[in-house]
Amino acid sequence: DIQMTQSPSTLSASVGDRVTITCRASQSISSWLAWYQQKPGKAPKLLIYEASTLESGVPSRFSGSGSGTDFTLTISSLQPDDFATYYCQHYNSNPLTFGGGTRVEIK
Amino acid sequence: EVQLVESGGGLVQPGRSLRLSCAASGFTFGDYTMHWVRQAPGKGLEWVSGISWNSGNMGYADSVKGRFTISRDNAKNSLYLQMNSLRTEDTALYHCAKVLRRRIPYDASDVWGQGTMVTVSS
Repeated sequence: DIQMTQSPSTLSASVGDRVTITCRASQSISSWLAWYQQKPGKAPKLLIYEASTLESGVPSRFSGSGSGTDFTLTISSLQPDDFATYYCQHYNSNPLTFGGGTRVEIK
Repeated sequence: EVQLVESGGGLVQPGRSLRLSCAASGFTFGDYTMHWVRQAPGKGLEWVSGISWNSGNMGYADSVKGRFTISRDNAKNSLYLQMNSLRTEDTALYHCAKVLRRRIPYDASDVWGQGTMVTVSS
């Protein structure tokens, strides 16, 4: 099974900061990676799929990159609405797995 | 409007069974792979199981393999999760989710239900 390792687990940042979250797969998953945002009490929201394709309606300050085993999610200028938990997920094959999550909190 | 509504959760004793349902509307259900994803209180997301649009491909997390069974009824626009031999560690909010693209076996999930809570406790 493919394991997904996210870092950091918690990130403290200020509004306007550039934020980067990393996700590493235990074996190559090509570009079959998605990023989700989750706020407390809410269902996850798809941000990016195929490692770098922005889902419709997602602000352009979000971007994704990487292929193979190493991936990043970048928020170019953190906004108040962006304080949340972010998860990566591979969808290369069953079983699909999520990273452990990165909580972005206010510094 | 695309919508997923889960039901069937509740309080159940260890070792007992429960069947979750997910009612889909607003899209051609029979064209999309569907997933169950759970989240234990205060914990991260855990993929549980997935089923392709035609039920030809199914997968399970190691933690539920042999105990849980996913199924779907495309005529009823419904997804199911039969959970047997429940354990305390199965306590979680269970979401169903639709994938992004038609007739793709593995894909990102673009629509999620709000979830149904399963509590396994004596």
